[in-house]
Amino acid sequence: AQSVTQPDIHITVSEGASLELRCNYSYGATPYLFWYVQSPGQGLQLLLKYFSGDTLVQGIKGFEAEFKRSQSSFNLRKPSVHWSDAAEYFCAVGASGGYQKVTFGIGTKLQVIP
Amino acid sequence: ETGVTQTPRHLVMGMTNKKSLKCEQHLGHNAMYWYKQSAKKPLELMFVYNFKEQTENNSVPSRFSPECPNSSHLFLHLHTLQPEDSALYLCASSPVGAINTEAFFGQGTRLTVV
Repeated sequence: AQSVTQPDIHITVSEGASLELRCNYSYGATPYLFWYVQSPGQGLQLLLKYFSGDTLVQGIKGFEAEFKRSQSSFNLRKPSVHWSDAAEYFCAVGASGGYQKVTFGIGTKLQVIP
Repeated sequence: ETGVTQTPRHLVMGMTNKKSLKCEQHLGHNAMYWYKQSAKKPLELMFVYNFKEQTENNSVPSRFSPECPNSSHLFLHLHTLQPEDSALYLCASSPVGAINTEAFFGQGTRLTVV
């Protein structure tokens, strides 16, 4: 069965600092990987996704993620965090063939301080 | 603006009440989903519908009854709920049969059972 681990439940960074959110997955074949963001009181918005090809994926809002098969990781990064990035971030893994049975991680809540 | 609209945004109901959550998508998708989001737990997939047919029921109690009259609308009928059912209920949609796709989420209904 597929699974996702987000080891950091809560992270605090200063505005302007770099950010890395960790995600480790477990899946037997080539995974489909997603990062979603959820602002307070809102639904989930897709930041980026990986299906194949270049292992460094660019997303919206200046985010990127790198797929590392050897480490079963798909960490999310941003070089300079803005106060508006404060939200909860979810990593998810799914089987190939489109979105259907996707498993989400528990989420990492990001706090940004001035 | 999200292409998936959920109503109501907030709902408070007693344990003996009957209420319904509504989801509507304007994206032309043929798969729709109900998720439950509780604090400190991963997103839980409840139901999946493909072309109006239910294809997934993840051992959801019968007090939750989904209905999908067409590919654009999804309902979740609630009756005799328990306080532990209080959560954010998210609706999502995605294309069917297409690879490299993701789900699009609504803003959710915050349900409180008293």
